[in-house]
Amino acid sequence: GEDVEQSLFLSVREGDSSVINCTYTDSSSTYLYWYKQEPGAGLQLLTYIFSNMDMKQDQRLTVLLNKKDKHLSLRIADTQTGDSAIYFCAESMSTGANNLFFGTGTRLTVIP
Amino acid sequence: EAGVVQSPRYKIIEKKQPVAFWCNPISGHNTLYWYLQNLGQGPELLIRYENEEAVDDSQLPKDRFSAERLKGVDSTLKIQPAELGDSAVYLCASSSRSSGDPYNEQFFGPGTRLTVL
Repeated sequence: GEDVEQSLFLSVREGDSSVINCTYTDSSSTYLYWYKQEPGAGLQLLTYIFSNMDMKQDQRLTVLLNKKDKHLSLRIADTQTGDSAIYFCAESMSTGANNLFFGTGTRLTVIP
Repeated sequence: EAGVVQSPRYKIIEKKQPVAFWCNPISGHNTLYWYLQNLGQGPELLIRYENEEAVDDSQLPKDRFSAERLKGVDSTLKIQPAELGDSAVYLCASSSRSSGDPYNEQFFGPGTRLTVL
């Protein structure tokens, strides 16, 4: 089955790097995604990684995937107050019609 | 280009009353999703449409929940009767993925926050 876990809270100081972690259990994941949810808003796709990749960098965002350990992380460099939000990892699988399965979300608080 | 539109944004009802949520996906997106998001949790899929066909409704509590997407464009999700435990945010999302395409970028609406008293 699908079980995606994240730590609930993370606080960092403005300008520092943030690292948000996610573990999943299904080895048939094809793509893994990071979504951002700001208060009162829907989820917005930040970045994604294909399961045969180890790393993907996109401006301030770096995604690392350890498929052996089923561990995904999102690093945000030079974290800004506007990065304060809830971050969800999600996986889609080759089975299940590629539906997305979301983690519980990590609330990132950036301290000025 | 307009994003996914949902209405109402907020709804407060008493238990046992009916309620309906409306979603208009991004133009041209053939796949539409309804999700339930409980407080402090990630979204959970309720139903997925491809065009007007509900292709995955396995997680929809069919005793009280129903949905339709008659013309394959906008969609309505209904709860009748509502229970206290239905208080949550109901999110709609759409995508343009083709059947069998493993990459599935979904675009989300702002959601409807339902409070059942």
